[in-house]
Amino acid sequence: EPEVTQTPSHQVTQMGQEVILRCVPISNHLYFYWYRQILGQKVEFLVSFYNNEISEKSEIFDDQFSVERPDGSNFTLKIRSTKLEDSAMYFCASSGGYSRRELFFGEGSRLTVL
Amino acid sequence: KQEVTQIPAALSVPEGENLVLNCSFTDSAIYNLQWFRQDPGKGLTSLLLIQSSQREQTSGRLNASLDKSSGRSTLYIAASQPGDSATYLCAVLFSGGYNKLIFGAGTRLAVHP
Repeated sequence: EPEVTQTPSHQVTQMGQEVILRCVPISNHLYFYWYRQILGQKVEFLVSFYNNEISEKSEIFDDQFSVERPDGSNFTLKIRSTKLEDSAMYFCASSGGYSRRELFFGEGSRLTVL
Repeated sequence: KQEVTQIPAALSVPEGENLVLNCSFTDSAIYNLQWFRQDPGKGLTSLLLIQSSQREQTSGRLNASLDKSSGRSTLYIAASQPGDSATYLCAVLFSGGYNKLIFGAGTRLAVHP
C-alpha cells in the first residue's frame, strides 16, 4: 500500500544549526503538508503546498521555515537557526483529489535541539 | 476560534468491551472529519474519513458518526482488543480552511486483557 516516507526518523542538532527534513509523498498526490507535534501537545498545522507554491501557512511558519519540492518526488522542510522550542515531531502528509482531501501521514521525524 | 475537543482524555477498559470516543468541534461548517490512530512515538494512521454530507462511516470494528448540527462526532469501537491500545485523534477540516486540519488532543485508550 502506498505510504508517505520521512527521513531522518530522528535528528539531534545544536541550537542555531540548520536542519532539513525530507519526505516522499504518495506518488500521485498533489497536496503536501507539514505538521508538528510538540511532546504532550496537539498536532498543529505548519504549511500546505500545491502546484509548487505555498497555499497556506500558519503563524508558526515564519521566516525561519521554508519548504521546497526540489524534484518530482521529494518534499522538504528546512528549519534555519534552530531553537530549543523547535524540538518536536514533524509530520509530513499528502492528499490526492481536491474533493476528498483525505490526508495520509508519514511516521514523523523527531527533531531534538540541544 | 475553530477548536476540536476530545473526551475523555484517557480511557482504560477490559478486553471485549464496546466503547465510544467523543469529538466535538466549535463550528458546524466543516468539509470533512478524520479519525486517526497514533501509537507511542509513531505517525498518524488514518482510520476513517467522514465527508460533511455523510452521517457515518464503518471499517471493520470501527464506526464513526457525524452530527454537524450539534458539532459532534463519535468513534465506536466494538469488541475492543489489547491491540487497540493507542491514542485516537479527531481532526476537522473546516470549510474555508482548505488545507488545514485542526486536531483534538486525543483520547489515550488502554485495553487490558
